[in-house]
Amino acid sequence: EPEVTQTPSHQVTQMGQEVILRCVPISNHLYFYWYRQILGQKVEFLVSFYNNEISEKSEIFDDQFSVERPDGSNFTLKIRSTKLEDSAMYFCASRRSTSGGLETQYFGPGTRLLVL
Amino acid sequence: GQSLEQPSEVTAVEGAIVQINCTYQTSGFYGLSWYQQHDGGAPTFLSYNGLDGLEETGRFSSFLSRSDSYGYLLLQELQMKDSASYFCAVRQDTNAGKSTFGDGTTLTVKP
Repeated sequence: EPEVTQTPSHQVTQMGQEVILRCVPISNHLYFYWYRQILGQKVEFLVSFYNNEISEKSEIFDDQFSVERPDGSNFTLKIRSTKLEDSAMYFCASRRSTSGGLETQYFGPGTRLLVL
Repeated sequence: GQSLEQPSEVTAVEGAIVQINCTYQTSGFYGLSWYQQHDGGAPTFLSYNGLDGLEETGRFSSFLSRSDSYGYLLLQELQMKDSASYFCAVRQDTNAGKSTFGDGTTLTVKP
């Protein structure tokens, strides 16, 4: 069964550094998402991406964050100048389409980011 | 803004039935999803309701009442492996359909 993959599984970085989190969505999916989950808290929406552009973003997704789909398969989240409070699990998700009510978002296994 | 309320914890015994409620206040409501998350794992989609009524998928069922801004997840024949966190999530009527998650309900299944 196809699945969303994410790399790396764990990332440790120093405060102020830039990190890039990578995701490979399911191949025939059209909608892509990044969520984050701070330890012990709920899943929070960051950004959605469709047709090679950002569709929606939350108030968390400020100028520190950016997303890119550099080729036909990868979907990346870049965090510039990381802060301690960016430490969280970051999940990528993808969804096929809106037609036929296909609402299932498939989540990747996540990247655990630790900012020291 | 968006807000979802669900109980923080529920405990039940193996073989029992448990219902996890979710009430929401949101603009642009499109549907309600349910996700399961085991410790350290990714959210796994369980069920989705776009229309009022009951959706059944094996041991899991989900219900939605749009007029009451209320839904629930029903888990039957509980098994130890069902111990996990369960999140309701509002799917909004935007093009990409972002989901806003509730705080989650921790279900503990005891022998």
